[in-house]
Amino acid sequence: EPEVTQTPSHQVTQMGQEVILRCVPISNHLYFYWYRQILGQKVEFLVSFYNNEISEKSEIFDDQFSVERPDGSNFTLKIRSTKLEDSAMYFCASMTGTTSGRQYFGPGTRLTVT
Amino acid sequence: GESVGLHLPTLSVQEGDNSIINCAYSNSASDYFIWYKQESGKGPQFIIDIRSNMDKRQGQRVTVLLNKTVKHLSLQIAATQPGDSAVYFCAENIGDRGGGADGLTFGKGTHLIIQP
Repeated sequence: EPEVTQTPSHQVTQMGQEVILRCVPISNHLYFYWYRQILGQKVEFLVSFYNNEISEKSEIFDDQFSVERPDGSNFTLKIRSTKLEDSAMYFCASMTGTTSGRQYFGPGTRLTVT
Repeated sequence: GESVGLHLPTLSVQEGDNSIINCAYSNSASDYFIWYKQESGKGPQFIIDIRSNMDKRQGQRVTVLLNKTVKHLSLQIAATQPGDSAVYFCAENIGDRGGGADGLTFGKGTHLIIQP
């Protein structure tokens, strides 16, 4: 079965630094997402992306976050100036089609902000 | 408050027994529901999904039941195996934007423990 891949698996950064988390969605999928999961808590939606623009974003996705699809395969999440509370697992997901349906999740990137 | 929640944080069952994990939702506009399994250090793994125009759907060893009257969703796992030990999340798509734009809203999760 095709998979969503994410790199790096673990990223450690200092507070105030910029980080870029990378994802390669499944190739024929049209919708892309970022979620985060703070340790021990539920998965939270950050942003959805379709046709090279943001479709929807949650209130967590403030001005320090941005997403980009720089080429035909990668999908990135940038956190401009990291805070301690940004420490979490970040999951990328993708979905085929444009109606509600199964989202395929990647293995996640563990972000640790020190 | 959360629109999706779980009744029990931890469920322990004997290997071979059936398990039922429950989930309540509050948004009657939700049109799609999905169950994910998450093992430690991994991403959510799809188990089964159901649309709001259905009340039951079966997969391999798993069944999802949707009761729209009381806004309740359940996941039944038959003949549990040690590999079923994980955290199970229900999630909904509220669908207010329509289509894939909406992210999934996850519940808190239930930790299923399979006792040998």
